[in-house]
Amino acid sequence: QKEVEQNSGPLSVPEGAIASLNCTYSDRGSQSFFWYRQYSGKSPELIMSIYSNGDKEDGRFTAQLNKASQYVSLLIRDSQPSDSATYLCAVRTSYDKVIFGPGTSLSVIP
Amino acid sequence: DVKVTQSSRYLVKRTGEKVFLECVQDMDHENMFWYRQDPGLGLRLIYFSYDVKMKEKGDIPEGYSVSREKKERFSLILESASTNQTSMYLCASSSGLDEQYFGPGTRLTVT
Repeated sequence: QKEVEQNSGPLSVPEGAIASLNCTYSDRGSQSFFWYRQYSGKSPELIMSIYSNGDKEDGRFTAQLNKASQYVSLLIRDSQPSDSATYLCAVRTSYDKVIFGPGTSLSVIP
Repeated sequence: DVKVTQSSRYLVKRTGEKVFLECVQDMDHENMFWYRQDPGLGLRLIYFSYDVKMKEKGDIPEGYSVSREKKERFSLILESASTNQTSMYLCASSSGLDEQYFGPGTRLTVT
């Protein structure tokens, strides 16, 4: 079992819709969770961090964490073509290592 | 804003050459990382450093070495470049063990 898993996609959503990106992790003692956005040919850019169960909102982005289910998600409301990118989930494990998932490719169709 | 810079955006080297990739951060971060990113394999950690002159192997250190003589600078060295080291190399830095900030990346081609 991989430590951090994401659907590779591509996930296609129409402009204006909600995009839902999911991530599961295997280490139950993981402490911190991050979402990065990576445009094609560019480096990852941190967009959200979440540390406790529940929702955290930042503009059009909402991160959701459920430690009991070992699940973290990213919702993007009112998706725009400029949101088309690969989204990487990263988890800080109980042994203080940050593990990146393989990423989900998102395409927002105008 | 955190700024992480890398010495080259694109680099082409020949098999057997010694290659130096440089990374500099301006936020006084104690931790620095080198990753490579390949299609289908995601981000893989090569080495990291948590202090000057300190280094730890990551998941794929074979064929690489690192140097951290100053807090702001972390160098990745390919002792004898091989074609299977053709990749995107990403440097990152962090304060503590959480959010990492990435440089623009170096796309290295070994021919």
